[in-house]
Amino acid sequence: AQTVTQSQPEMSVQEAETVTLSCTYDTSESDYYLFWYKQPPSRQMILVIRQEAYKQQNATENRFSVNFQKAAKSFSLKISDSQLGDAAMYFCAYRSVGTSGTYKYIFGTGTRLKVLA
Amino acid sequence: DAGITQSPRHKVTETGTPVTLRCHQTENHRYMYWYRQDPGHGLRLIHYSYGVKDTDKGEVSDGYSVSRSKTEDFLLTLESATSSQTSVYFCAISARDRPAVLFGPGTRLTVT
Repeated sequence: AQTVTQSQPEMSVQEAETVTLSCTYDTSESDYYLFWYKQPPSRQMILVIRQEAYKQQNATENRFSVNFQKAAKSFSLKISDSQLGDAAMYFCAYRSVGTSGTYKYIFGTGTRLKVLA
Repeated sequence: DAGITQSPRHKVTETGTPVTLRCHQTENHRYMYWYRQDPGHGLRLIHYSYGVKDTDKGEVSDGYSVSRSKTEDFLLTLESATSSQTSVYFCAISARDRPAVLFGPGTRLTVT
């Protein structure tokens, strides 16, 4: 079964600095999707960025980028020029293809990011 | 996301009572999911559906049942609520051609 591990329960970053959140996963599949979701205090889950496993190029979305290392099964999120609004819980997620072509999403335990003014 | 609603948004109930949470989507997505979120555990899959009347268990399905009689509605039932089921419950949807899962606003359930 696939697993997703976030080993950093909490991280802090100074405003305008850069921070990297770590995520590792375990799978025997060759084609899959990986995601980072943000959950601010409002509790709403917001998609930050996604990566397709068969794409070599790392995904970027404005100040957010990933470092995808397929062989190492690592998927870290880099936030540049951190802003106060980036303070949230961040979840790494994996989409697996199950039997009958069904999709399941497996989440890590989350990393709480604090942004210091 | 306006395409997914959950009801109720908050509920307090007593141990032993049945509880039903409703998820409604207007996106016509095939796949629907129920997750629970607890501190230190992230989001854990309870049940999911891959079509009308097609459902399957997730990793924490004990004590929960689901039903999907229409594409747009996915119900989660706690047959006899226990204090360990106090949690925040999220409904989510996805489609084959849209790989990112979309979440509802969540329901905070407290079992006293």
